[in-house]
Amino acid sequence: EPEVTQTPSHQVTQMGQEVILRCVPISNHLYFYWYRQILGQKVEFLVSFYNNEISEKSEIFDDQFSVERPDGSNFTLKIRSTKLEDSAMYFCASSPSFLYGYTFGSGTRLTVV
Amino acid sequence: AQKITQTQPGMFVQEKEAVTLDCTYDTSDPSYGLFWYKQPSSGEMIFLIYQGSYDQQNATEGRYSLNFQKARKSANLVISASQLGDSAMYFCAMREATGTASKLTFGTGTRLQVTL
Repeated sequence: EPEVTQTPSHQVTQMGQEVILRCVPISNHLYFYWYRQILGQKVEFLVSFYNNEISEKSEIFDDQFSVERPDGSNFTLKIRSTKLEDSAMYFCASSPSFLYGYTFGSGTRLTVV
Repeated sequence: AQKITQTQPGMFVQEKEAVTLDCTYDTSDPSYGLFWYKQPSSGEMIFLIYQGSYDQQNATEGRYSLNFQKARKSANLVISASQLGDSAMYFCAMREATGTASKLTFGTGTRLQVTL
């Protein structure tokens, strides 16, 4: 069964450093997303990406964050100048169509120290 | 107002029994989708079941069924014949047809513990 692949599974970074979280969506999917889940809390939407551009972003997704689809297969989330409160599980997801369900990746657990 | 409400922070069920996890939602959009995801302790999000707002019948997937009551805006998940492996966090989520690539809004989750 096709799956969304996220790397790394766990990343530890120092406060103030930049991190790039990587995702390979399912190949024929058109819609891509990043979500995050702070430990013990609910899953929160960050950004959606369609047709090579951001289609929607949440209040959380400020200038510290950016997304790219650099080569037609990878989908990356960059966090500049990480803060302690950026520590969370980050999920990538993809979907083939507008209304159907997503497939989530297994997540990247980011720890900022 | 919360778009997705899960009022049961924790539930216990005995193995082989059925359990219902509650979910209510709030939207003015006539076209929407409702989802349930399972999150085991390992952290991944596993899709369980989907119900579209225009679907006439309740969705079923194996031991999972969705009790969709549109007028009451509820979408409860029913797990039949619970197994120990069903112990996990369960999230209800809604996808609204707004914008060019709609997003999921999640509830706060219900932690299910299956006991012997």
